[in-house]
Amino acid sequence: RKEVEQDPGPFNVPEGATVAFNCTYSNSASQSFFWYRQDCRKEPKLLMSVYSSGNEDGRFTAQLNRASQYISLLIRDSKLSDSATYLCVVKPGQNFVFGPGTRLSVLP
Amino acid sequence: DTAVSQTPKYLVTQMGNDKSIKCEQNLGHDTMYWYKQDSKKFLKIMFSYNNKELIINETVPNRFSPKSPDKAHLNLHINSLELGDSAVYFCASSFRAPGANVLTFGAGSRLTVL
Repeated sequence: RKEVEQDPGPFNVPEGATVAFNCTYSNSASQSFFWYRQDCRKEPKLLMSVYSSGNEDGRFTAQLNRASQYISLLIRDSKLSDSATYLCVVKPGQNFVFGPGTRLSVLP
Repeated sequence: DTAVSQTPKYLVTQMGNDKSIKCEQNLGHDTMYWYKQDSKKFLKIMFSYNNKELIINETVPNRFSPKSPDKAHLNLHINSLELGDSAVYFCASSFRAPGANVLTFGAGSRLTVL
């Protein structure tokens, strides 16, 4: 089983749609959780950290369920510029472990 | 000012050659990493150094040798290049302390082995 798993995607949604990404991780010792975004042929960039109580940043909401070892990202009112690959990242120790990513295409 | 810079951005070379990729960060971070992103886009850790000390060394062929002359630099040397080494190599850096966990990437070095 991979350490971090995500929806395989791709997701193709119209502008304005709400889209949800799911992620599960296998290492229960994981302490830190993140969502990164990677545009085509670019480097990954931090989108947001994920906190135990859940957190929101504008149209983006992240949730963490430690008991289920599950992380989610919700994007509301999606924009064309949200098109990218979304990477779930878990930090069980020294290392940042990346999921395989879920590609999102927001269509006009 | 670029926070994490790596050179070269593109590298095209023949099988069997030796090549190096350099990385520098000006963020004051104490930990640096090399990640490999293959054609399936999966991003996998190769090495990590904290204050010039190797702390992560994943299952990577010993043709790959990292070198960290100081905490702001982490270079990657690859000997006897093979077709399967073709990938994008990303350098990254962060603080090691718990809670200070943002990982900042360089723009990547795209290696093509012919």
